[in-house]
Amino acid sequence: SQKIEQNSEALNIQEGKTATLTCNYTNYSPAYLQWYRQDPGRGPVFLLLIRENEKEKRKERLKVTFDTTLKQSLFHITASQPADSATYLCALYTNAGKSTFGDGTTLTVKP
Amino acid sequence: EAQVTQNPRYLITVTGKKLTVTCSQNMNHEYMSWYRQDPGLGLRQIYYSMNVEVTDKGDVPEGYKVSRKEKRNFPLILESPSPNQTSLYFCASSLKAWGANTGELFFGEGSRLTVL
Repeated sequence: SQKIEQNSEALNIQEGKTATLTCNYTNYSPAYLQWYRQDPGRGPVFLLLIRENEKEKRKERLKVTFDTTLKQSLFHITASQPADSATYLCALYTNAGKSTFGDGTTLTVKP
Repeated sequence: EAQVTQNPRYLITVTGKKLTVTCSQNMNHEYMSWYRQDPGLGLRQIYYSMNVEVTDKGDVPEGYKVSRKEKRNFPLILESPSPNQTSLYFCASSLKAWGANTGELFFGEGSRLTVL
């Protein structure tokens, strides 16, 4: 069956460091992958999308890579800040309309 | 303000009592979807709709119904709720499901449902 795994439930880093979150998938041939941020008690908020033919995408301090051979996406937050503390979700899209989300990784950035 | 609105935000009900969670978007989006979020299981797709009168099952459709009679509304119906449907529910919409745009999903604030 199709499965998405995000590297760990929790990631703690120091302010100013780069946070790297991992999203691995099996039994998928996704056309694109998205990353979302979710704060406690709120709905997820879209951050970035990367397509299967793209290796890397950037947006301000965020960078996403997509390796369809390794079946993995990496999500980086550079110069992290306490305000970046949240849960980050990856989502895969295959056939039009169907989506699958990972469990999320909770990032805590300590001042 | 562009938004996805869900109601109710919180609901406690009893087994077997039919309920409807409404979802409305004001962005003229074609695509709408329902998810449930449970600890350790992440966000799981229940049903989705590519456009008016077009709906399809997600990964966990059992026990739920949907309809899409108007573009802006996509209600989730629990005909006979059971305790295993206790969860946090999210409605989301996107301009299109595929191709023409990023497929960025806009989520509502969630509806926390407890079935006793």
